[in-house]
Amino acid sequence: QKEVEQDPGPLSVPEGAIVSLNCTYSNSAFQYFMWYRQYSRKGPELLMYTYSSGNKEDGRFTAQVDKSSKYISLFIRDSQPSDSATYLCAMSEPKGGSEKLVFGKGTKLTVNP
Amino acid sequence: DGGITQSPKYLFRKEGQNVTLSCEQNLNHDAMYWYRQDPGQGLRLIYYSQIVNDFQKGDIAEGYSVSREKKESFPLTVTSAQKNPTAFYLCASRRRGGDYSNQPQHFGDGTRLSIL
Repeated sequence: QKEVEQDPGPLSVPEGAIVSLNCTYSNSAFQYFMWYRQYSRKGPELLMYTYSSGNKEDGRFTAQVDKSSKYISLFIRDSQPSDSATYLCAMSEPKGGSEKLVFGKGTKLTVNP
Repeated sequence: DGGITQSPKYLFRKEGQNVTLSCEQNLNHDAMYWYRQDPGQGLRLIYYSQIVNDFQKGDIAEGYSVSREKKESFPLTVTSAQKNPTAFYLCASRRRGGDYSNQPQHFGDGTRLSIL
């Protein structure tokens, strides 16, 4: 079983739709969770960062972490064509654990006008 | 503007040649990282460095070398021993907090390396 599983899509939605992106993980030591957005031929851009279970909201984006189920989600409300990108989940252990950031393979999202 | 600068954006390597990818950051970050991104593979860690003059191998270090002589700079050399170097290379950095692993990584815009 891979440490982090992420559905690669592609996912295609109409403008204005609510988008749900998900990752599951197997390592219960993961404590920090991130979502990155990556446009074509660009580096990943940090969207959301959280280290506790529950929800964190930032504008149209909501990150949700359920440590008991080892499951994280990113919701995008009122999706826009400019949201079309690949979304990467990433996670890491706390200090004293592994230094590495472990990534999902990314989900490619297209928002159609 | 503070950020991470990778150069060049595109690089071509001939067979048997070593090439060096540049990564410079002006964020005053202590830790720096190199990743390789291939289609369908996600990001894989090549090397990382937590402080100047120290670095560790990641998951796929074979065929690569790094140096960290200055805090701002972490160049990656792709040697001729790397038989499949065609990929998108990403450099990242992060700040050391009270809890070192508590800070997220920030990325440059990558270098695309191809074989001639």
